[in-house]
Amino acid sequence: DGGITQSPKYLFRKEGQNVTLSCEQNLNHDAMYWYRQDPGQGLRLIYYSQIVNDFQKGDIAEGYSVSREKKESFPLTVTSAQKNPTAFYLCASSIRTGGAFPNTEAFFGQGTRLTVV
Amino acid sequence: GESVGLHLPTLSVQEGDNSIINCAYSNSASDYFIWYKQESGKGPQFIIDIRSNMDKRQGQRVTVLLNKTVKHLSLQIAATQPGDSAVYFCAEKTSYDKVIFGPGTSLSVIP
Repeated sequence: DGGITQSPKYLFRKEGQNVTLSCEQNLNHDAMYWYRQDPGQGLRLIYYSQIVNDFQKGDIAEGYSVSREKKESFPLTVTSAQKNPTAFYLCASSIRTGGAFPNTEAFFGQGTRLTVV
Repeated sequence: GESVGLHLPTLSVQEGDNSIINCAYSNSASDYFIWYKQESGKGPQFIIDIRSNMDKRQGQRVTVLLNKTVKHLSLQIAATQPGDSAVYFCAEKTSYDKVIFGPGTSLSVIP
C-alpha cells in the first residue's frame, strides 16, 4: 500500500534533549512538509522540501531542524532550543508545487504526539 | 483521543440532518481553498477544494460555497452520518503562495 508513515505515534522528551520524528513516504512524491498542530489553532508550517537535498524554513522553524537525504524520508529533529515542543506533529507529502503549499493530492501522516516530561 | 479538538467551536447535529460548517478566511487575495477532515488521532484528509473564480462546488454528499465579498467559506454535508464526526478545517492559499490553515470546527453526530 502506498502511503506516508510517521513514527512513533507517541514520543516523550526530557527537558534539554533532542528528539527526531520520522516521516517516510512511498508515493514517489517530491515535496514533503512538516506541520505543528496545537489545540485550538490551525496547522503551522515548520519546514518543507521540494526536492532531495533542499529544504526551506516555514513560519515557525526556530528550534527545529530537518534533512532530506532521500526522496522517501524527511525526518524532523526537535532540538532543545524549541521552548515549547509539546504538540501534535504532522508530516505531509505531495507532488512538487514549487512553493510552500501542498498540492491537492497531499497526503498526511497519522501524526506524532510529542510531550515534554 | 487527540487534543486537537479542544477549545474548538463545536457543532452537534442529528444523524440524517444536513451540517453546515463555516470558515472565515483572512486574505482577500487568496485564490484557492481546501476543506480537510481530521478524525481523532489521525492526520487530515482532503475533502474538497474550490478556486476563487467559482462560488460553489459539489462533491459526493459535500458542497463548498465561497463568498468572496465577506471572505467566507462553508462546507455543507448532506445526510450527516456518525462517520462524519471529526474536526473540519479550511485552508487558503494566498497570492504569495503561502497557506493558512483555520483552527477548525468539531462536528459531533448524534445517532
